[in-house]
Amino acid sequence: VQLQQSGPGLVKPSETLSLACSVSGGRVSGGNYYWSWIRQPPGKPLEWVGYISSSGSTSYNPSLKSRVSISAHTPENQFSLNVNFMTAADTAVYYCARNWVDETSDYMDVWGEGTKVTVSS
Amino acid sequence: DIQMTQSPSPLSASVGDRVTITCRASQNINNYLNWYQQKPGKAPKLLIYGASSLQRGVLSRFSGNGSGTDFTLTIDSLQPEDFATYYCQQTYSASRTFGQGTEVEVK
Repeated sequence: VQLQQSGPGLVKPSETLSLACSVSGGRVSGGNYYWSWIRQPPGKPLEWVGYISSSGSTSYNPSLKSRVSISAHTPENQFSLNVNFMTAADTAVYYCARNWVDETSDYMDVWGEGTKVTVSS
Repeated sequence: DIQMTQSPSPLSASVGDRVTITCRASQNINNYLNWYQQKPGKAPKLLIYGASSLQRGVLSRFSGNGSGTDFTLTIDSLQPEDFATYYCQQTYSASRTFGQGTEVEVK
């Protein structure tokens, strides 16, 4: 499985960021997966943003929940991230990742290459 | 939210050293603890899942241990390519959290 990210590298303050992650070698629907987004501000640790499960349920970071949505697009075999009302604090490298889940294991084993997003007018 | 605290940060070491990084959870997370390695400008790489299971393809000098709230990542005989930042992550809660990272740097 490979994940290919697409989306803008520059977003204006107050605008919406939209990123997509295309899945090759697997399907976003079906299987024991959560399709996830993680971000990393410059010089800072990884921050989990949220996920959408193969069945369509979602979970979001409480600190971002009011501004974030993650969707799956089965025909295109993609999943996407929208972040509303972007500010400078949202400047980060955004990663998509596949998260395997079963009764005993839960981990992100495949990652996209990352998209550097800068918020600036 | 479950808080994850790593120590030390940073960790200074030499090639050949045995190094141990600690991760402590703010509450019991059973063994839902993963370790990732990240090099500058690269995506993280999964090393250990379920606290102690080695991800396929990861060399056996990496090992993980622990359960409940206290966990460790050990690197036996540190190699030049192991100088990187290491993150723990809990997946016990639907709201996942990472530790702040431990940079393993050249002593």
